[in-house]
Amino acid sequence: KAGVTQTPRYLIKTRGQQVTLSCSPISGHRSVSWYQQTPGQGLQFLFEYFSETQRNKGNFPGRFSGRQFSNSRSEMNVSTLELGDSALYLCASRRDSQAFFGQGTRLTVV
Amino acid sequence: AQSVAQPEDQVNVAEGNPLTVKCTYSVSGNPYLFWYVQYPNRGLQFLLKYITGDNLVKGSYGFEAEFNKSQTSFHLKKPSALVSDSALYFCAVRDSNSGYALNFGKGTSLLVTP
Repeated sequence: KAGVTQTPRYLIKTRGQQVTLSCSPISGHRSVSWYQQTPGQGLQFLFEYFSETQRNKGNFPGRFSGRQFSNSRSEMNVSTLELGDSALYLCASRRDSQAFFGQGTRLTVV
Repeated sequence: AQSVAQPEDQVNVAEGNPLTVKCTYSVSGNPYLFWYVQYPNRGLQFLLKYITGDNLVKGSYGFEAEFNKSQTSFHLKKPSALVSDSALYFCAVRDSNSGYALNFGKGTSLLVTP
């Protein structure tokens, strides 16, 4: 069974631009969560989607948004990028109590 | 509110020796506890979880963890460390009252020397 797939693996964007990251969960998993990992703040929860509905949201500004499609694939969008948005963005799909993580998208904002 | 503390930024151990990576937690409801490992430039790999039941949980790659409710701890252990165990280890907690978001500790870097 294929794992969680995140695309692209690496991105370089300029301040002020916007970016969209994609996540394909494990087949059959209907829950997708997003996390931001930075050296300073560690791993922080962004949001969770289940059956196309946002169920939970972390403490991030409105520039961070997401959505989930009927096939459970999810995208997250960051608008008006700031230097501090440089991070590894991790997606996880969940079945029951266990979360399975993708390899992440490394976003660098210059 | 829920939180996790990993008091050690780095743990050094010689290959073949036992290892312990510490984790304490705070939740308002029943804790769901997890350990993940991260290798450089990779995502998180699941090691083990405690939901309910036996306090000693066995996981992947020979790792185990002991849930101690009175000390609110969930330390990760392995009887004999391997050089390939060198990685970043994260403890995470989910509160049964707070949805499915995981709250992670800051991570502990484990270095196993030959």
